[in-house]
Amino acid sequence: DSGVTQTPKHLITATGQRVTLRCSPRSGDLSVYWYQQSLDQGLQFLIQYYNGEERAKGNILERFSAQQFPDLHSELNLSSLELGDSALYFCASSVASDVNTGELFFGEGSRLTVL
Amino acid sequence: LAKTTQPISMDSYEGQEVNITCSHNNIATNDYITWYQQFPSQGPRFIIQGYKTKVTNEVASLFIPADRKSSTLSLPRVSLSDTAVYYCLVGGMDSSYKLIFGSGTRLLVRP
Repeated sequence: DSGVTQTPKHLITATGQRVTLRCSPRSGDLSVYWYQQSLDQGLQFLIQYYNGEERAKGNILERFSAQQFPDLHSELNLSSLELGDSALYFCASSVASDVNTGELFFGEGSRLTVL
Repeated sequence: LAKTTQPISMDSYEGQEVNITCSHNNIATNDYITWYQQFPSQGPRFIIQGYKTKVTNEVASLFIPADRKSSTLSLPRVSLSDTAVYYCLVGGMDSSYKLIFGSGTRLLVRP
């Protein structure tokens, strides 16, 4: 158990809908990262937050948005869903703002299926 | 941002030592090298991290030559449960904080 909690574990929805994925980082971790992994694909970096502020942005679509709240949990919002958005969405946390000073702890992921 | 290149797949047998090499030709001075392991439908798990020379922990060793343009993850005496995808990740204080995973190496351990 990494200490990172993601909910929901599974989600099935229809095209055009909007969903919210939630992540609770490990206690004490200030950084939260979101990744997308499609079937048999690598991990695509979406976005990183550090202590409530956006720190880095990857190939995140405009239909997607995220935020980190004062209690450090984070939410990833996916809107106008398309079939291609079906994927595993991972959240990871770390103590520091960059990978130098420690490892990333990944949650078990939220599997999104868009029908 | 340092791009990494790894073999797509590797095969091995139980009990053998496996070495997976990652190329990162444009690694920056302050970049560290980190390896992760991922099983199907699970989040990646940290294996080891290093800056130069050799690092060893209870599960693996990481060899980094003086020029730091590559690194080798060494798994001693692999078992079937080591079948997974292994990712090499390069990043650091001078990077853009975009922690980019490459395509990884799919290791298959046979009995």
